[in-house]
Amino acid sequence: AQSVTQLDSQVPVFEEAPVELRCNYSSSVSVYLFWYVQYPNQGLQLLLKYLSGSTLVKGINGFEAEFNKSQTSFHLRKPSVHISDTAEYFCAVSGRTGANNLFFGTGTRLTVIP
Amino acid sequence: GAVVSQHPSRVICKSGTSVKIECRSLDFQATTMFWYRQFPKKSLMLMATSNEGSKATYEQGVEKDKFLINHASLTLSTLTVTSAHPEDSSFYICSAAREGAYNSPLHFGNGTRLTVT
Repeated sequence: AQSVTQLDSQVPVFEEAPVELRCNYSSSVSVYLFWYVQYPNQGLQLLLKYLSGSTLVKGINGFEAEFNKSQTSFHLRKPSVHISDTAEYFCAVSGRTGANNLFFGTGTRLTVIP
Repeated sequence: GAVVSQHPSRVICKSGTSVKIECRSLDFQATTMFWYRQFPKKSLMLMATSNEGSKATYEQGVEKDKFLINHASLTLSTLTVTSAHPEDSSFYICSAAREGAYNSPLHFGNGTRLTVT
């Protein structure tokens, strides 16, 4: 089975400052990794994914994440945040066994301060 | 892009009544759909996996007689909360996987806010 840990439940950051949202995973098998964003009362929107290949993955809205197998991490970064980035961010993992079942972390609330 | 439509977005019902939530994949066929429940300030908890034409697979601790799932076609899955109680109040989100697209990102509906009074 897989599990995901997002240690930071809330991250406040000033507008135009950089941000890193941390994600660590645990799995006995090779995994795929995802970051999703959720705006209030809405579903989840995919930001980026790591399936294979380059460990640095670029996504939408200027976000990127780096897969680090030795540290079992997949931290999300953005060099300069905007007010509109205020939302809940979820890291998720799925096993590479053919199932689409995603295991989610508990989420990180990013609040961008003007 | 792929779109998953979830309806209704909000529903308020009285204790003891049943509520049906629909999840539709609008521009692709979804062999598998997933139903999640999200508690305040918590992550999404997978409730069940719905496969077209077969019985749903429920996660441990989820009452299958209370949360009825039907996946009658490749574009529609429904979740019925039977005899709802206030503790069933939550945000329910569905997701769908494209037919044959294993390990591709899931497409999510916008969720349904259920309030049981």
